[in-house]
Amino acid sequence: QKEVEQNSGPLSVPEGAIASLNCTYSDRVSQSFFWYRQYSGKSPELIMSIYSNGDKEDGRFTAQLNKASQYVSLLIRDSQPSDSATYLCAVRYGSSNTGKLIFGQGTTLQVKP
Amino acid sequence: DAGVTQSPTHLIKTRGQQVTLRCSPKSGHDTVSWYQQALGQGPQFIFQYYEEEERQRGNFPDRFSGHQFPNYSSELNVNALLLGDSALYLCASSSEGRGNQPQHFGDGTRLSIL
Repeated sequence: QKEVEQNSGPLSVPEGAIASLNCTYSDRVSQSFFWYRQYSGKSPELIMSIYSNGDKEDGRFTAQLNKASQYVSLLIRDSQPSDSATYLCAVRYGSSNTGKLIFGQGTTLQVKP
Repeated sequence: DAGVTQSPTHLIKTRGQQVTLRCSPKSGHDTVSWYQQALGQGPQFIFQYYEEEERQRGNFPDRFSGHQFPNYSSELNVNALLLGDSALYLCASSSEGRGNQPQHFGDGTRLSIL
């Protein structure tokens, strides 16, 4: 089983700050990377996908991928209390477009007003 | 455009019983994956179905089985339930023919074993 690692947190940031969430993975062949947000008691919701090295921005969210370092990160700018949730990093195993997702255990983010 | 739908929402069973969970994929999706999420953990892959066949399987015992129907909907069956099977069971769908696509999750079925 390939591994995806995240710091479980909690990561606490004040409202309006930048939250930085990190993820490392062990499978060098993986090509697809995803960030899901999961509120307590709810199912994971896709917020970002990234397939190429570099940055990808979508609103307040920026995903960063470094395949050489096997590292994925998610930046949340202007953090809001509504961003408080668990953020799951997921890596698609292998080079397939349809392979299984391997998840980290998630990082709990707390945004304090 | 209906998303991924799962039923039932909650289920309570006792040890040794059997359970069937159901999933309808998002419109236009033909691939269904099932995951188990224990409390405080990330989802763990159980198996994936495409063209009515199990295509990939995670590290789960044979007590976990599934099926995919011609309309792409899917069932997850778990036999001889154990206390450790208590978890949120998630169904995710995707499209085989649309290149590199993410998986979209349903709301899940929360299974409690007494």
